[in-house]
Amino acid sequence: GAGVSQSPSNKVTEKGKDVELRCDPISGHTALYWYRQSLGQGLEFLIYFQGNSAPDKSGLPSDRFSAERTGGSVSTLTIQRTQQEDSAVYLCASSSGRQNTEAFFGQGTRLTVV
Amino acid sequence: EDQVTQSPEALRLQEGESSSLNCSYTVSGLRGLFWYRQDPGKGPEFLFTLYSAGEEKEKERLKATLTKKESFLHITAPKPEDSATYLCAVRAYNFNKFYFGSGTKLNVKP
Repeated sequence: GAGVSQSPSNKVTEKGKDVELRCDPISGHTALYWYRQSLGQGLEFLIYFQGNSAPDKSGLPSDRFSAERTGGSVSTLTIQRTQQEDSAVYLCASSSGRQNTEAFFGQGTRLTVV
Repeated sequence: EDQVTQSPEALRLQEGESSSLNCSYTVSGLRGLFWYRQDPGKGPEFLFTLYSAGEEKEKERLKATLTKKESFLHITAPKPEDSATYLCAVRAYNFNKFYFGSGTKLNVKP
């Protein structure tokens, strides 16, 4: 597609439930990022995928968070046993993968845990 | 530790009143400095990439500059539609992630 697509745009879930957030990157982009933005806060790095390399998971806040990228394209971020502190906007971005290039963001998924 | 600091946190301008936003950074081996604009409820929108000290980029009323320790986003004769949060990010030598500042929220009054 023309841009990074994320779904759903909004998700309300009950505490303790699992959620899956989806990201479709720009076609041909080999690098994919997940960030989290809490209310009034900056962007917090979660995970990075580059081609077939092992992902950089250094930003995942707990083992309840996981992500995968199938076929080098679509990515899914899964949060298990959601907690209220997981409420935030989850942003996905992709880039061409060449060193030092900019990343393009999707519109984000607003997750609310009640 | 690598850090990005943006100032001011918030800025209110009258339409036509030019000003500058600051992004100071401390990273080990800069591989790029990036400016984004973020509107409420939207994802960040890419504006500029700067790679080396002395470099400048322009787009409409915006001009970004870079030194060895900071970047400025100059806004000339702003309009109300320039109101947004402006985010600065850097990429370091390991280039696995972008380090973001907390942003400057700009409000331009007509």
